Amino acid sequence: QKEVEQNSGPLSVPEGAIASLNCTYSDRGSQSFFWYRQYSGKSPELIMSIYSNGDKEDGRFTAQLNKASQYVSLLIRDSQPSDSATYLCAVIASLRSGNNRKLIWGLGTSLAVNP
Amino acid sequence: KAGVTQTPRYLIKTRGQQVTLSCSPISGHRSVSWYQQTPGQGLQFLFEYFSETQRNKGNFPGRFSGRQFSNSRSEMNVSTLELGDSALYLCASSLAAGEKLFFGSGTQLSVL
Repeated sequence: QKEVEQNSGPLSVPEGAIASLNCTYSDRGSQSFFWYRQYSGKSPELIMSIYSNGDKEDGRFTAQLNKASQYVSLLIRDSQPSDSATYLCAVIASLRSGNNRKLIWGLGTSLAVNP
Repeated sequence: KAGVTQTPRYLIKTRGQQVTLSCSPISGHRSVSWYQQTPGQGLQFLFEYFSETQRNKGNFPGRFSGRQFSNSRSEMNVSTLELGDSALYLCASSLAAGEKLFFGSGTQLSVL
């Protein structure tokens, strides 16, 4: 059973701090990794994707991937109250049959940024 | 560019009834996935369609079914509704199967 695990939180950080969200995955063959943000009552929206080891930066967001340790993280610098949401980690796992690839989701980490 | 459109936005049904939900993907996207989301359960994968073919299926009973049309629009059907089917049903489209997903606003289904 391929799995993606996240700390459910809530993770509480003060405004202006760095929020660090972590995700581990079980499938060593995974190649694509995504972070989605979901506000309460809304649908998920993609904020970051990362495919190779190292860091990828986009504005205040940095995704970090370490395939050897099988974890991917999301750093949010200068956290704002508007960043308060649930952050979902998703990993594309390989399936045994053919070339089908399946997106495996974590349960999400709830982030609260306090003014 | 229009986003993913799901209809209806809200739906109230009673146990035993059946329901059909509709999803229109982003223009040019050929892959459509369906998810069920309930508080505390996260996103539960239902199925994925690409070019009218079901590519992947989640662990849901046969009461849940779907299809995709030649214009990539998709429908999902739930027959013999149960109370536990009350959830937010999300549709997402992508250029190809297993790639970045773009979600619709969802259909909130309540089964009474």
